[in-house]
Amino acid sequence: EVQLLESGGGLVQPGGSLRLSCAAPGFTFSGYAMNWVRQAPGKGLEWVSGISGSGATTYYADSVKGRFTISRDNSRNTLYLQMNSLRDEDTAVYYCAKSLLRYSFDAFDIWGQGTKVTVSS
Amino acid sequence: DIQMTQSPSSLSASVGDRVTITCRASQGINNYLAWYQQKPGKVPKLLIYSASTLQSGVPSRFSGSGSGTDFTLTISSLQPEDVATYYCQKYNSAPFTFGPGTKVDIK
Repeated sequence: EVQLLESGGGLVQPGGSLRLSCAAPGFTFSGYAMNWVRQAPGKGLEWVSGISGSGATTYYADSVKGRFTISRDNSRNTLYLQMNSLRDEDTAVYYCAKSLLRYSFDAFDIWGQGTKVTVSS
Repeated sequence: DIQMTQSPSSLSASVGDRVTITCRASQGINNYLAWYQQKPGKVPKLLIYSASTLQSGVPSRFSGSGSGTDFTLTISSLQPEDVATYYCQKYNSAPFTFGPGTKVDIK
């Protein structure tokens, strides 16, 4: 069964850093683009970042550009999101999500359960 | 960047009603449009991709249409389990922006 398992969330002070992980057993991880999506409390979905299957191409939302870094380790079937210079407004549940089709950025067919990040002093 | 809007922001309908949600892109995105359902406290679920292709396992009462800038999600006969917030998303190019969502509940 295809599943995504996020970890690494928690409470961090403004200006701090956190690294999220998303383990992806059950499918040919390297063949699929992956994404991070977040949802602030009571708010809608916000796409954060995406990375191609090889890792060669990355994209970021303007709200996180220069502060967050997406990466992947295809040998470990794991996706990462390094978050630096965290702000109150980064408080959210962070989901990793898999692209539907191989070798392309596409709709997100599989989502993890999410990991909660709280930025507060 | 292309902006995504949805209307209405919320609606209340009776069981069995036909429900239509509209999504509009500020520029043309061909058919690179997906719809997601998020039930309260749950993870988003892909319903439709390529504007009109039903994801495997999704009930046939859900359908999508449109191309370019204007898209619709239709629930042909609203069921109690359809209470959720529905989001559209563009994926023709980054950023892969979501619409603000439409909250659907039962009257």
